Amino acid sequence: AQKITQTQPGMFVQEKEAVTLDCTYDTSDPSYGLFWYKQPSSGEMIFLIYQGSYDQQNATEGRYSLNFQKARKSANLVISASQLGDSAMYFCAMREPSGGYQKVTFGTGTKLQVIP
Amino acid sequence: DTGVSQNPRHKITKRGQNVTFRCDPISEHNRLYWYRQTLGQGPEFLTYFQNEAQLEKSRLLSDRFSAERPKGSFSTLEIQRTEQGDSAMYLCASSLGSTTYSNEQFFGPGTRLTVL
Repeated sequence: AQKITQTQPGMFVQEKEAVTLDCTYDTSDPSYGLFWYKQPSSGEMIFLIYQGSYDQQNATEGRYSLNFQKARKSANLVISASQLGDSAMYFCAMREPSGGYQKVTFGTGTKLQVIP
Repeated sequence: DTGVSQNPRHKITKRGQNVTFRCDPISEHNRLYWYRQTLGQGPEFLTYFQNEAQLEKSRLLSDRFSAERPKGSFSTLEIQRTEQGDSAMYLCASSLGSTTYSNEQFFGPGTRLTVL
């Protein structure tokens, strides 16, 4: 089974609108962390937001929020008030214990395009 | 600049040649990771160092691949007898980790390898 599933290869959003990027994960370990990274065309991976499995509240960082639904094993990224600079690839990732270290697995990504 | 740096940014080589990439992590970070990213995919884990010790290697890392992190500072990734299938972006990341919990990984800009 895929550890991280991102079912939306591409998404379009109108500038200033909100958009939700989907991510589901699979793990049997109770202790894990979920991340979202942004990768612009320049190639660098930029950390956006983090949610720990024991965190009671959904994580927020500026215009980014993570809709964490533990029972459904989903960790969707919500971007509010989209800007043209938000156009990029977005990767969901999960960190879980593996043989004494924290293994990080990435999804296949969602390409977001913001339309003026 | 206090971020993760990688050199070279681009490398074009002929099949069968050896190549070496360098990664300089954020200075206080004790953990260093190498990933490979092919077009349309998320980063795939290759190997991980805690200080100078290489603690984990992916099955993706064939015998032609070797990584070092002497003195627990910068790291090198060498690919011997390159093949066209090695063409990819090679990403390095670092994090500041405790023994049981690690923080988010900060990525470098990557080295794009093209094998002709």
